[in-house]
Amino acid sequence: DTGVSQNPRHKITKRGQNVTFRCDPISEHNRLYWYRQTLGQGPEFLTYFQNEAQLEKSRLLSDRFSAERPKGSFSTLEIQRTEQGDSAMYLCASSLDLINYGYTFGSGTRLTVV
Amino acid sequence: GNSVTQMEGPVTLSEEAFLTINCTYTATGYPSLFWYVQYPGEGLQLLLKATKADDKGSNKGFEATYRKETTSFHLEKGSVQVSDSAVYFCALSDPSGGYNKLIFGAGTRLAVHP
Repeated sequence: DTGVSQNPRHKITKRGQNVTFRCDPISEHNRLYWYRQTLGQGPEFLTYFQNEAQLEKSRLLSDRFSAERPKGSFSTLEIQRTEQGDSAMYLCASSLDLINYGYTFGSGTRLTVV
Repeated sequence: GNSVTQMEGPVTLSEEAFLTINCTYTATGYPSLFWYVQYPGEGLQLLLKATKADDKGSNKGFEATYRKETTSFHLEKGSVQVSDSAVYFCALSDPSGGYNKLIFGAGTRLAVHP
């Protein structure tokens, strides 16, 4: 088990472009989460999946953001028409038993919109 | 709403000093409580947890006790090392929606010098 893997590690994009990030969770974890973290702040919840079903989305997740988890395995987070305010670290986490074991986080994808 | 408040950093200590990082929470119900640590350039790692009132979580010399009467989960270590320099995040399992995700505090940066 290699833990939670996120790609790419860094992404620089021009304002208005679309970007897509990928997360590969721990294989036996049925829950997958996306968070956003800006400098000096804690992670903010964006959305989560149980298997392939997207069960909750934050109000932070505007219409420009979409996430998928086909077949309940890896997940993608797409941001359309990026804005400078989207610059942040995007974190993925997975879990099998949240109450007792919490999350396992990936190393994140740092997005810079110029 | 449900939330976590941490003491502001940075906390600067000499090696072997005693550490306390305060965390208080606001929540309905009975959340689990967590401390995560983020070392420079790395993802968040679970440090310790407590699932019910009066539980004490411990790991790597760090401890925290779930105090329902004061809604607190303060992190302590008797003798810090330079290698403990990191950002520490307190989190709770969100009672709204069935404890299915974590809410994080803003983080507290710890700097330990020799």
